Amino acid sequence: EAGVAQSPRYKIIEKRQSVAFWCNPISGHATLYWYQQILGQGPKLLIQFQNNGVVDDSQLPKDRFSAERLKGVDSTLKIQPAKLEDSAVYLCASSLDRSNTGELFFGEGSRLTVL
Amino acid sequence: GQQLNQSPQSMFIQEGEDVSMNCTSSSIFNTWLWYKQDPGEGPVLLIALYKAGELTSNGRLTAQFGITRKDSFLNISASIPSDVGIYFCAGLQGGSEKLVFGKGMKLTVNP
Repeated sequence: EAGVAQSPRYKIIEKRQSVAFWCNPISGHATLYWYQQILGQGPKLLIQFQNNGVVDDSQLPKDRFSAERLKGVDSTLKIQPAKLEDSAVYLCASSLDRSNTGELFFGEGSRLTVL
Repeated sequence: GQQLNQSPQSMFIQEGEDVSMNCTSSSIFNTWLWYKQDPGEGPVLLIALYKAGELTSNGRLTAQFGITRKDSFLNISASIPSDVGIYFCAGLQGGSEKLVFGKGMKLTVNP
């Protein structure tokens, strides 16, 4: 079974530029998550989708971050314009269940460096 | 936001030793989970606990869901070099869909 796919693995941009990350969850997984992991910290939830609907985006900085999952399968997370403090690993995860058990499958992450 | 307090933050042990780590919160959680993250990878689920007082094992790993529902611990017995990594506790509160992670415990195992 293929895991959660993310791209790109690494991205370096200058502040005020934009960046987009892509995620393809495990086939059949209804729920998709984007987490931000700053160096030395645990992952922090940015947004959670169930199929193509948003379940929770309370911690997404909506003035600069946006995410979509238009067809309920793959997803894109965009940052525009980027700030220095956005440097982090952006982790995508998916889960099979509709009622959240916390059992998530994570991708390898996309490491963003903002200069 | 809700915080989970993990301790210790890091540990250095010799191969073959046992190690314990715990996670506490000021709030009640209905689910506790332990994940491990290797460098350059995403976290991988080790153990999930769904009932207060539950004690669950997975090979050399043993985890418990605290009876107060505000804490959990993870034990690793007879450590081996591949146990190196960062261990995260995570929790779900009742009525919440949001999984909250601790800051992690970095484990180093000296062969």
